[in-house]
Amino acid sequence: QKEVEQDPGPLSVPEGAIVSLNCTYSNSAFQYFMWYRQYSRKGPELLMYTYSSGNKEDGRFTAQVDKSSKYISLFIRDSQPSDSATYLCAMSADDKIIFGKGTRLHILP
Amino acid sequence: DGGITQSPKYLFRKEGQNVTLSCEQNLNHDAMYWYRQDPGQGLRLIYYSQIVNDFQKGDIAEGYSVSREKKESFPLTVTSAQKNPTAFYHCASTGRLPQPQHFGDGTRLSIL
Repeated sequence: QKEVEQDPGPLSVPEGAIVSLNCTYSNSAFQYFMWYRQYSRKGPELLMYTYSSGNKEDGRFTAQVDKSSKYISLFIRDSQPSDSATYLCAMSADDKIIFGKGTRLHILP
Repeated sequence: DGGITQSPKYLFRKEGQNVTLSCEQNLNHDAMYWYRQDPGQGLRLIYYSQIVNDFQKGDIAEGYSVSREKKESFPLTVTSAQKNPTAFYHCASTGRLPQPQHFGDGTRLSIL
């Protein structure tokens, strides 16, 4: 079993819809959970960073962590064409960080 | 502004040639990383350094070399031993794990 699993997509949704992106993981040592957004030919940009189980909100973005199920999610409300990008989850313990392979998201105008 | 600067943005390599990718950060971060990203793929760790004058191999270090003579700088050399170097290369830094990593804009390396 891979340490981090992320559906590669692509995921296409109409503008204004709520988007749900997910990752599962197997290593219970992971303590910190991150979501990065990567536009084409650019480096990953940190979107959300959370430690504990529960929800963290920042504008249209909500990160959710369920440590008991080893499952994390990123929700995007009122999705915009500018949200079209690849979204990578990442999680870290004291000695390492592991990235998911990314989900390609297309917001259709 | 604080950040990570990678140069050049695009780089071409001839057969048998070594090329060096530059990464500079002014975030005062201790740790720096190099990742390789192939189209439609995730990030694979090449090398990382947690302190000046020390670095460790990642998952795909063969054909690559690094140095860490200054805290701000972590250049990556793609040697002629790396037979399939065409990819995006990303440099990242962090104060200390498990804090999140911050990335530069990447360098696209292609074979001539």
